[in-house]
Amino acid sequence: QLQLQESGPGLVKPSETLSLTCTVSGGSISSSSYFWGWIRQPPGKGLDWIGSIYYSGSTYYNPSLKSRVTISVDTSKNHFSLKLSSVTAADTAVYYCARHGRSSSGRWSPVDYWGQGTLVTVSS
Amino acid sequence: QVVLTQSPSASASLGASVKLTCTLSSGHSSYAIAWHQHQPEKGPRYLMKLNSDGSHSKGDGIPDRFSGSSSGTERYLTISSLQSEDEADYYCQTWGTGIQVFGGGTKLTVL
Repeated sequence: QLQLQESGPGLVKPSETLSLTCTVSGGSISSSSYFWGWIRQPPGKGLDWIGSIYYSGSTYYNPSLKSRVTISVDTSKNHFSLKLSSVTAADTAVYYCARHGRSSSGRWSPVDYWGQGTLVTVSS
Repeated sequence: QVVLTQSPSASASLGASVKLTCTLSSGHSSYAIAWHQHQPEKGPRYLMKLNSDGSHSKGDGIPDRFSGSSSGTERYLTISSLQSEDEADYYCQTWGTGIQVFGGGTKLTVL
């Protein structure tokens, strides 16, 4: 059974960089059939896609966050990471890592596995 | 860009059925979507992928009580024989190459 687990600081100061890691177990992050992504949910609001990465390092980002986001992958550790720079209170959210599919033609498919989520609060 | 619209809330009685709606923005009637369930204090759970023709494929272990259907730009999730654990937020999602889009979610209350 595939499992994804987020880890990282739960409190980040304004203007600093938020850093999270998602460790994948029960499956290989190097599979050619999947992308690995980050999604967040601010308090009382809906889900917002941040970005996704392929095992090769190819990335796609939400245009609204693109200037502040970096997603990277470490296939040797079977994990991928999120960095979000210059955070403000508006970045306070539960952050989820997730998996979604990629066909041989490159077409995407929906998220089919989620992590449990981790709350990150931006506050001084 | 495609937009997904969901009613903020819905309610139904224990043992009854409920039909939740996700509406695709105009011009996107061919799009498939996915439904996800988000119970309190848990990570979201993938329920199914729902195609424009109403065919759907469910995630691992999803009970038969959950089904999907489509009509035009509307995508539906029907939950029958409602149980207390079905009380959750339900999100629809669609995608393109390079983007994932979520609806605002519907909070389902089981009375």
